[in-house]
Formats: sequence, C-alpha cells, structure tokens
Amino acid sequence: AQKITQTQPGMFVQEKEAVTLDCTYDTSDPSYGLFWYKQPSSGEMIFLIYQGSYDQQNATEGRYSLNFQKARKSANLVISASQLGDSAMYFCAMFPFTGGGNKLTFGTGTQLKVEL
Amino acid sequence: DVKVTQSSRYLVKRTGEKVFLECVQDMDHENMFWYRQDPGLGLRLIYFSYDVKMKEKGDIPEGYSVSREKKERFSLILESASTNQTSMYLCASSEPDRGVYGYTFGSGTRLTVV
Repeated sequence: AQKITQTQPGMFVQEKEAVTLDCTYDTSDPSYGLFWYKQPSSGEMIFLIYQGSYDQQNATEGRYSLNFQKARKSANLVISASQLGDSAMYFCAMFPFTGGGNKLTFGTGTQLKVEL
Repeated sequence: DVKVTQSSRYLVKRTGEKVFLECVQDMDHENMFWYRQDPGLGLRLIYFSYDVKMKEKGDIPEGYSVSREKKERFSLILESASTNQTSMYLCASSEPDRGVYGYTFGSGTRLTVV
C-alpha cells in the first residue's frame, strides 16, 4: 500500500517570496510517479508537476519545482516568487508503476495563503 | 475546452434517497475514477473502472456503487444516502499509461445529505 504524508495543514507566505510545501511518501514499489495538484477555492484540481522515481533530475515547471530526495522518500514542492493567485489547497499524490494499478493516492493537502 | 464534466456542481438530497452522480469525459480515456474529498482527509478513492462494464473497489466503497455502460460515462450511485456521505465528490479520468499528466479531474460535486 502507498501512503502520502503532508504535515503542513496550512502555510502563509508573503507575496514574491518562495515557499516549500512538504510531502513524504511510503511505498514498496521500486518505480512510481509523484504529482502535485493545486485546488483553488473553485474546486477543480489542476496538475502542476510530475516526477518519475527514476528521473535523474528534479522536475521543474515554470515557478514550480519538485525537490525530490529518493532516499528520504520526500517530494517537496517549491513555489518561487509567490503570487496572490497561488493561494489554494495543494495536494501531493503518487501512483506505483507496478502492482497498484492506475490508482493515485493523495495526501491530506496543504492550504497555502499568499499575503501582500 | 471542458474535458471531464460532472453533471451537478451542488446537490442537496434527503437521507434515504437514491442519488446518482454523473461524470462524462470526452478524451476517450479508458480509466475513470471517483474520489471523495473531506477536510483533513484529502482525496479518498471510492471506485474506479478500467473499461466499460468493469469496476473495482477503491479504499472506501461502502455505501456506494458505480455504473459504466459507455466508455465516456461513469456514474456513482448512493443507494440510500446518509448524512455521513455529505462531501465533495471528484471524478477523474486517465490514459492506461497515465502519462506525466496523471489524471484529468472534473470540477466536483458538492453533495449535502440532510
């Protein structure tokens, strides 16, 4: 079974500052994918970034980067130069490439608030 | 540009009613999923389907059933709604190989059972 842990229920950051959202995971699968999603107050889930367990480099997508530390089983999301529109719930998720089907397992989420 | 559509944004139902939540995707995805989202619990998988007429239980299937008669449509059924099923319900779809984009989600249905 897979487990995702997000230990920060809520975070505050000043506009234009960088923020790190923590995510640790547990799986016995040797290969897996890790995702971050953003959920604004409107409710839709927006894909942000993906990291494969065998990817040598950390994934980046614009202002988003994933700090992947495989030995520590952590996949923290870093948002640089925060904007007011970044205020949302953020979910870390993973699926195993073997044995787990196509099922994404989610963490409990982190509510991010960007302040002026 | 809508890809996964959930028929209702908000629903209010009475205890004991049979409730249907509908989800339609236009991307020809084989996999479809139903999650419920509760504060502090994240998203939990209820049921999923890999193909038409196929279904598998997720982590919390009790009190729910599903139907997939056509590839593009995946329905979640609450046989007899109860107040503890008040929640946000999210439908998603994906390709079999998932790709780097994972799932595509609908906008969610916020169900209140009174």
